[in-house]
This record gives sequence, C-alpha cells and structure tokens, in this order.
Amino acid sequence: DGGITQSPKYLFRKEGQNVTLSCEQNLNHDAMYWYRQDPGQGLRLIYYSQIVNDFQKGDIAEGYSVSREKKESFPLTVTSAQKNPTAFYLCASSQGTAYVEQYFGPGTRLTVT
Amino acid sequence: SQQGEEDPQALSIQEGENATMNCSYKTSINNLQWYRQNSGRGLVHLILIRSNEREKHSGRLRVTLDTSKKSSSLLITASRAADTASYFCATARTGGGADGLTFGKGTHLIIQP
Repeated sequence: DGGITQSPKYLFRKEGQNVTLSCEQNLNHDAMYWYRQDPGQGLRLIYYSQIVNDFQKGDIAEGYSVSREKKESFPLTVTSAQKNPTAFYLCASSQGTAYVEQYFGPGTRLTVT
Repeated sequence: SQQGEEDPQALSIQEGENATMNCSYKTSINNLQWYRQNSGRGLVHLILIRSNEREKHSGRLRVTLDTSKKSSSLLITASRAADTASYFCATARTGGGADGLTFGKGTHLIIQP
C-alpha cells in the first residue's frame, strides 16, 4: 500500500517537554509538508521540504523544528518554545515542483497539559 | 494569512439534494484545489482546476472557477450520508505550490438521512 503514515495518532505531553511527531511516505515524493490545524480552522503551514537535506519555514515555524535526512521521512519536533502546541498536526507530500495535489497522512492529535 | 475563504461555514441538507459551497481568494492563482476532511482524519484531494479552466467535473463533483471574481464553487450532486465532511479550498502560497498550500477555514457539510 502506498501512502503516508503518521504516528502516533494521539500524543499527550506535559508542558515544557519536547515531542517528535513521525511522518513517513512511500510514494517516492520529493516534497513534504507539515501543517497545523486548530478547531474550526483551516490548515496552516509549519515547515516544508522540497528535497532531502533541505527545508524551509512556513507561516508558523516558531517553536517547531524539522529534519529531512531521508526522502521518506520528515519528522517534526514541537519544542517547549511553542506557546500553544495543542493541535492536530498533518503531514503531506507531493510529487514534482508545482501545480499538483498533496497527499495527506491521517494526522496526530497532540495534547499538552 | 488565509488566501481562500469558504462560504457558508456550515451547510445542512437532506440526502439526495445538491450541495454548493463557495470559495473566494485574494491574489492571482495558477490553480485552485478542493479537499475533503472527515472528522478527525487527514485531507483527501478531490479536484484541481487550473486558472485557464472554467469548469471541471469528477463523478458527482462539479467545480467552477471565475478568475475575474476570484471565486470558485464546488457542487456535490445527489448527496449521500458519506459526503458529510468538511470541505476546503486551497491555493498555492506562491505561484508554484511546491512551497505549500494556503487553506480556507472550510465548509462543514452535514447530510441528513
């Protein structure tokens, strides 16, 4: 089965702890993305990577970090500097450089208390 | 900032009826995409319409694009209970789309049996 997997589905952390969300794809896509979704809202872009070993900040990168050491993997770390980390996090990938659809994973719901 | 804004925010119709939702955007685009999100899940790509297209069909879906009004509409004909979901329009953050998409807040569609 080709697709994008995210783990875990639910994640609970205490305030002040860093947490890493996993995103893996076997679609052989070059580009990968992390979005954040808050209740009743659309998606906002956190980070994106168009190629291995390269990534760029999106619209709300503060308090987050990423790495892209392998084409298949694009983990997101939510650091203690992120003021409101509780949200639904979605990973996506796409092929080519432009004008194409994105394929989304099932999401990770992070709750920080 | 959000490029696309969907209207209405919520829509409830009877099964079998048609559902129409609208999207307005602010800047010029190369293409516009529609996605569906079932509650608590990832997004699924529905259709992509390019700026030089006025209408596009896919099964029970019909999308129109009016670049002069910077607006698009998604029509779902003969609705089914399984169509209950949130629907988002999305445009490229910049001209290409390889640096991520900008989403509206979505239209929450409820199909009453």
